Amino acid sequence: DIQMTQSPSSLSASVGDRVTITCQASQDISNYLNWYQQKPGKAPNLLIYDASNLETGVPSRFSGSGSGTDFTFTISSLQPEDIATYFCQHYDTVSFNFGGGTKVEIK
Amino acid sequence: EVQLVQSGAEVKKPGESLKMSCKGSGYGFRSHWIGWVRQMPGKGLEWMGVIYPGDSDTRYSPSFQGQVTISADKSISTAYLQWSSLKASDSAIYYCARLSHSHYYFDYWGQGTLVTVSS
Repeated sequence: DIQMTQSPSSLSASVGDRVTITCQASQDISNYLNWYQQKPGKAPNLLIYDASNLETGVPSRFSGSGSGTDFTFTISSLQPEDIATYFCQHYDTVSFNFGGGTKVEIK
Repeated sequence: EVQLVQSGAEVKKPGESLKMSCKGSGYGFRSHWIGWVRQMPGKGLEWMGVIYPGDSDTRYSPSFQGQVTISADKSISTAYLQWSSLKASDSAIYYCARLSHSHYYFDYWGQGTLVTVSS
């Protein structure tokens, strides 16, 4: 079973800051990685699929990169509405494991 | 409009059984995998399993195999998650979500069902 290690578990940044979250897989997963945003009390929402593809309607300040075992999610300029917890998710034909999540707060 | 509507919150005692539902509408229900995801209080997301309603092919996470049963009734566009004997540690929010046809991501989610198991 492939494990996903996400870091940091939480961060605090100022509006306008660049925010970076990493996700590391326990073995090569090619680009089979998605990123979700979950706001308090809400279901998760897909932001990035296949490591670097922006889902339709998602603001361009969100981006993803990486392949193999190391992946990065970036918010280029943090906005107040981006306060949420972000999760990476690996997928293959038999599993859809999530990373532990990163809670993003405004400083 | 694609929608997944889940059944309402439940309060149960340890040892009781539970079957919750997730009704899909606005798309071809039998041709998209449906997944179930657990979120314990203040914790992250845990994938439990997926089912293909067209033929009821089901895959479980090793962590949940034998602990829950996932099923679907394609005639009424509804997927189910059930327990035969609940434990206090089953207290959580449970989400159903649709798997995209072309890519392996969950593109639509239900609103979540809160389960509280307490004596």
